[in-house]
Amino acid sequence: DADVTQTPRNRITKTGKRIMLECSQTKGHDRMYWYRQDPGLGLRLIYYSFDVKDINKGEISDGYSVSRQAQAKFSLSLESAIPNQTALYFCATSDPRYRDRARNEQFFGPGTRLTVL
Amino acid sequence: KNEVEQSPQNLTAQEGEFITINCSYSVGISALHWLQQHPGGGIVSLFMLSSGKKKHGRLIATINIQEKHSSLHITASHPRDSAVYICAVRSHMNRDDKIIFGKGTRLHILP
Repeated sequence: DADVTQTPRNRITKTGKRIMLECSQTKGHDRMYWYRQDPGLGLRLIYYSFDVKDINKGEISDGYSVSRQAQAKFSLSLESAIPNQTALYFCATSDPRYRDRARNEQFFGPGTRLTVL
Repeated sequence: KNEVEQSPQNLTAQEGEFITINCSYSVGISALHWLQQHPGGGIVSLFMLSSGKKKHGRLIATINIQEKHSSLHITASHPRDSAVYICAVRSHMNRDDKIIFGKGTRLHILP
């Protein structure tokens, strides 16, 4: 079984609809991240969470909200979807409990392809 | 100017060729990652390095901290190596452990 899972894998929705993307992980990691990927652009950070009570905005948080329901679950919501939120969305996890910070690798989910019409 | 630059953006080569993908960065880092994104979209980590060189099978990654440059090499390339290769650096600027991603290099290996 995959360590980081995302649901749904594909979603088509209409402008103005509320949509939630879910991420679950079995790695026991404290840190979770949401990224979006657009053609020709690198991955961009939307929100990140260091634990259940620690949630932080990334570089492109406008139009998004998140919820960290438990250590293993981190959801991304689009309250009122718009077409320029059409993108590939990735959840990732990491575990900072290493003396050598260079080992703080991120593990990615399979991605959710979202289309907003 | 992007903090992480990759070159080339696109690369097409024949099976068996030696492949080099370059990554230059302009920030102080604690580590550099090479990631592979398959045509289906999934992302896997290939290497994480902070100095020197690492090898895994036909893949070799090197980093020169002084020159702020890393290369990913693929020996005896194969069509299954076709993917987008992403360089990402972990900035040590603050507690947030920010990762900055390059835009990726799209590699296509022809049989």
